[in-house]
Amino acid sequence: AQSVTQLDSHVSVSEGTPVLLRCNYSSSYSPSLFWYVQHPNKGLQLLLKYTSAATLVKGINGFEAEFKKSETSFHLTKPSAHMSDAAEYFCVVSRPSGGYNKLIFGAGTRLAVHP
Amino acid sequence: NAGVTQTPKFQVLKTGQSMTLQCAQDMNHEYMSWYRQDPGMGLRLIHYSVGAGITDQGEVPNGYNVSRSTTEDFPLRLLSAAPSQTSVYFCASSHRGFNTDTQYFGPGTRLTVL
Repeated sequence: AQSVTQLDSHVSVSEGTPVLLRCNYSSSYSPSLFWYVQHPNKGLQLLLKYTSAATLVKGINGFEAEFKKSETSFHLTKPSAHMSDAAEYFCVVSRPSGGYNKLIFGAGTRLAVHP
Repeated sequence: NAGVTQTPKFQVLKTGQSMTLQCAQDMNHEYMSWYRQDPGMGLRLIHYSVGAGITDQGEVPNGYNVSRSTTEDFPLRLLSAAPSQTSVYFCASSHRGFNTDTQYFGPGTRLTVL
């Protein structure tokens, strides 16, 4: 069975400091992993995805994530937070089903950015 | 190119009422799905469709029906609304539905059942 755990429900950082949002997954085979961002009262937008190519994945708005199979982790990072990064972030693992995809979402991490 | 659109944005129902949440996409995607989002639980899959005329159940299908008569549209019907169905509903689509595909989400419908 596949599952995903986001280790922090809330993260608070100051503008200009690094961001680290942690995600661990369990999967019985090589997974596809995603990070989505949801701004208040908006839909979800893809930040980045890992699909068994390079283990360091670069996404939009300066975010990146590293797939570490030995640690079953896919943590999201950004060197310098911006006020506009305040949002909820979801780590997602895919679950193929009959050749099609079902997404399993983590519970989410709410990122607050302070001046 | 509007992407994924959902209507209405907000809806209040009384227990026992029925309604349909609309979802449309203009990207010619084969795969469409409905999720509900509840606090602290992420998104959970209600129903999905891999093409016109083909639908299947997700994790939490009870109380919901879907149909897919065209590639573009994927409405979600609540047969007899219950307070437990108070949630935010998201429709999503992707090209083929493979596990490497990016999902495109609509803006959501916030539903309250009294």
